[in-house]
Amino acid sequence: EIVLTQSPGTLSLSPGESATLSCRASQTISSNSLVWYQQKPGQPPRLLIYGAYSRTTGIPDRFSGSGSGTDFTLTINRLEPEDFAVYYCQLYGNSPRFGPGTKVAIK
Amino acid sequence: EMQLVESGGGLVRPGGSLRLSCVASGFTFSKNWMHWVRQAPGEGLEWVSRTTLDGTDTTYADSVRGRFTISRDNAKNTLYLQMDSLRLDDTALYYCVRDHLFPSGSSALDVWGQGTMVTVSS
Repeated sequence: EIVLTQSPGTLSLSPGESATLSCRASQTISSNSLVWYQQKPGQPPRLLIYGAYSRTTGIPDRFSGSGSGTDFTLTINRLEPEDFAVYYCQLYGNSPRFGPGTKVAIK
Repeated sequence: EMQLVESGGGLVRPGGSLRLSCVASGFTFSKNWMHWVRQAPGEGLEWVSRTTLDGTDTTYADSVRGRFTISRDNAKNTLYLQMDSLRLDDTALYYCVRDHLFPSGSSALDVWGQGTMVTVSS
């Protein structure tokens, strides 16, 4: 069973700074299967990135995904106040699974 | 506007049953696989179950297999989750989620309901 690990657990940053979030798989996975979601308190998750790199409709270009193999990254450039949230990576497949999440907190 | 509205959550005793429903609107329900994802209070996301277009192919997380049953009624644009033998650790907010296949060949969960809360407690 493939396990996803996300780091750091919490990232404390100021608006305008950049955030680098890591998602590591315990085995090599297809980039096609790596997805990123954002969740704000009291709201359902929102799809950000699919296929490791592709932004879904309406997601600003300050969000970008990269990586391959076992290591994937979500980068958020120039953090806006609305970007402070929890971010989950997901391995999409026959039995999808989520990483534990990274909280991007205001410093 | 694409929308998913869950209902059926509530307080139930350990060992009890509940049936969750999710009504879809704003898209052709029969053309999408559908999932249930849950989130325990203060915790992360846990995928629960998935059904294909006609409901004949279903998969489950190990934690619910044999106790939960996912189904759908495409004529009613409705997804269901029958939950039996409920345990304390099934307490969570249950989300109904649409699966979308992008032209690139990648898939993701792109439309989420607001969730319905299930509390298992004695």
